[in-house]
Amino acid sequence: AQSVTQLGSHVSVSEGALVLLRCNYSSSVPPYLFWYVQYPNQGLQLLLKYTTGATLVKGINGFEAEFKKSETSFHLTKPSAHMSDAAEYFCAVRNNAGNMLTFGGGTRLMVKP
Amino acid sequence: GAGVSQSPSNKVTEKGKDVELRCDPISGHTALYWYRQRLGQGLEFLIYFQGNSAPDKSGLPSDRFSAERTGESVSTLTIQRTQQEDSAVYLCASSLAATQNEQFFGPGTRLTVL
Repeated sequence: AQSVTQLGSHVSVSEGALVLLRCNYSSSVPPYLFWYVQYPNQGLQLLLKYTTGATLVKGINGFEAEFKKSETSFHLTKPSAHMSDAAEYFCAVRNNAGNMLTFGGGTRLMVKP
Repeated sequence: GAGVSQSPSNKVTEKGKDVELRCDPISGHTALYWYRQRLGQGLEFLIYFQGNSAPDKSGLPSDRFSAERTGESVSTLTIQRTQQEDSAVYLCASSLAATQNEQFFGPGTRLTVL
């Protein structure tokens, strides 16, 4: 069985500060990993994904994530937070058959002016 | 629009009533997924369709939940005899095929059971 743990249900940063959202996973097979963002009253939007190859993945809106197999982590970062980054972020792992995503509990990012 | 759409956007119902939630996937997407998001929690996988078939229904929380898909297009999630614990946002997603990486999500239906 696969699982995803997001450390910190709420993260608050100042505008311009580094954003770091943590994600750890467990998977018995090489994982496919995803970060989604959910703005208020909207559906989930894919930020970035890791499948194979380069372990540092760049996504939209200046976000990136690094797959670290030894740490079973896929933390999301952004060098400088914008007010528009305030949203809920979900980390997910895809199962082997590709028919299901297992999501973490989500992290709500708040950006202070 | 070219995205996944869901209706209604909000549904308030009384305990014991049946509700139907609808999902229109992106045209040409053969795979369709239903998830449930309870307040303050992550998404919980319910069921997926490849074409009109649902190979695995084990994610449905109880036998009050059922889903169908017709014409490899629209899907309906039905909850019978709703309970207060069914209150959640129900999200639908679609992808080109079940093995495709990216699932595209709709805006969800917020269900409130009084």
